[in-house]
Amino acid sequence: EAGVAQSPRYKIIEKRQSVAFWCNPISGHATLYWYQQILGQGPKLLIQFQNNGVVDDSQLPKDRFSAERLKGVDSTLKIQPAKLEDSAVYLCASSLNRITDTQYFGPGTRLTVL
Amino acid sequence: QKEVEQDPGPLSVPEGAIVSLNCTYSNSAFQYFMWYRQYSRKGPELLMYTYSSGNKEDGRFTAQVDKSSKYISLFIRDSQPSDSATYLCAMRGGGGGSNYKLTFGKGTLLTVNP
Repeated sequence: EAGVAQSPRYKIIEKRQSVAFWCNPISGHATLYWYQQILGQGPKLLIQFQNNGVVDDSQLPKDRFSAERLKGVDSTLKIQPAKLEDSAVYLCASSLNRITDTQYFGPGTRLTVL
Repeated sequence: QKEVEQDPGPLSVPEGAIVSLNCTYSNSAFQYFMWYRQYSRKGPELLMYTYSSGNKEDGRFTAQVDKSSKYISLFIRDSQPSDSATYLCAMRGGGGGSNYKLTFGKGTLLTVNP
């Protein structure tokens, strides 16, 4: 079974630029999560989708971050404009549904904002 | 007070040692407790999952939950160099809505020396 795919793996941008990350969850997984993991911290949930609907985006900085999951499969997370404090690893995870605990994580995208 | 506190480490032990990793939490609504292992430059992977209080054993790993003390532990017996990773505790409530959101600890970096 293929795992959660993410691209790119690494991205370096300057502040005020925009960036987008892509995630392809495990086939058949209805729930998709985007997490931000700052160095030395645990992952923090940014947004959770159930199929193509948003379940929880309470911790998403909506003035600069946006995410979508068209057709309930792939998802993109965008930052515009980026700030220095956005430097982090952005992890995508998926699970069969909201009830199932097992979230399968992708390898993450390491973002450096200069 | 943070919802989840985790011993910061780093922790360095010789091969074969028994490792004890711990987290405390403040939210009495938490009912499901997990331990994730994260290798360098990889996404977290679920290691152990426990519901409510009690012990769970899986090979060399034992997870303990003491809800009365709001304290969870992960024990690793006969530790191996391949166990070297960051260990993250995570927990969530059991109700609907945002109770399903996982709250992670900061993680403990473990190094097992041959």
